[in-house]
Amino acid sequence: AQSVTQLDSQVPVFEEAPVELRCNYSSSVSVYLFWYVQYPNQGLQLLLKYLSGSTLVKGINGFEAEFNKSQTSFHLRKPSVHISDTAEYFCAVSEPNGGSQGNLIFGKGTKLSVKP
Amino acid sequence: DSGVTQTPKHLITATGQRVTLRCSPRSGDLSVYWYQQSLDQGLQFLIQYYNGEERAKGNILERFSAQQFPDLHSELNLSSLELGDSALYFCASSVGGTGGYEQYFGPGTRLTVT
Repeated sequence: AQSVTQLDSQVPVFEEAPVELRCNYSSSVSVYLFWYVQYPNQGLQLLLKYLSGSTLVKGINGFEAEFNKSQTSFHLRKPSVHISDTAEYFCAVSEPNGGSQGNLIFGKGTKLSVKP
Repeated sequence: DSGVTQTPKHLITATGQRVTLRCSPRSGDLSVYWYQQSLDQGLQFLIQYYNGEERAKGNILERFSAQQFPDLHSELNLSSLELGDSALYFCASSVGGTGGYEQYFGPGTRLTVT
């Protein structure tokens, strides 16, 4: 069965500092990988996704992630964070095409807190 | 605004009661997913419908059921409610029904069972 581990439940960081949010997955088959962001009292919004091709994926709001198959990781990075990036971030996987369903399996989330 | 609407936004009810949560997907999206978000369990997939038919089931209790109507809106029915059912329930929609399609999430319905 697929599972997702987000290694840090909370990450405090100062404004304009770089940040990395870590995600590891386990699956016996190849998967699609996603990062979603949830701002307080809102639904989830897609930041970026990896389906195939280049292992470095760029998303919205200056975020990027790197797929590492050998380490089964999909870490999210931003070179310089803003106060407005304070939110909870979720890593997720879904089965690739050929699977009959498209549901997401989420990690427990990482709360990013950006301090001035 | 994702284009996915959910009603009601908040719901407070008593144990043993039954409630219905409603979701309207984005225009053109055929697939609807229901997820439950709680402090204990995190974000969990409940059930998926595609073009009116059930496509996949996750950790959905037998007391819960769902359906997708011909106009593609979906309803999640929760019955014999328990305190532990208190959570945020999200609906998401996507164009396709398999992996890889972006899922657009609604704002959620916060259910409080007292």
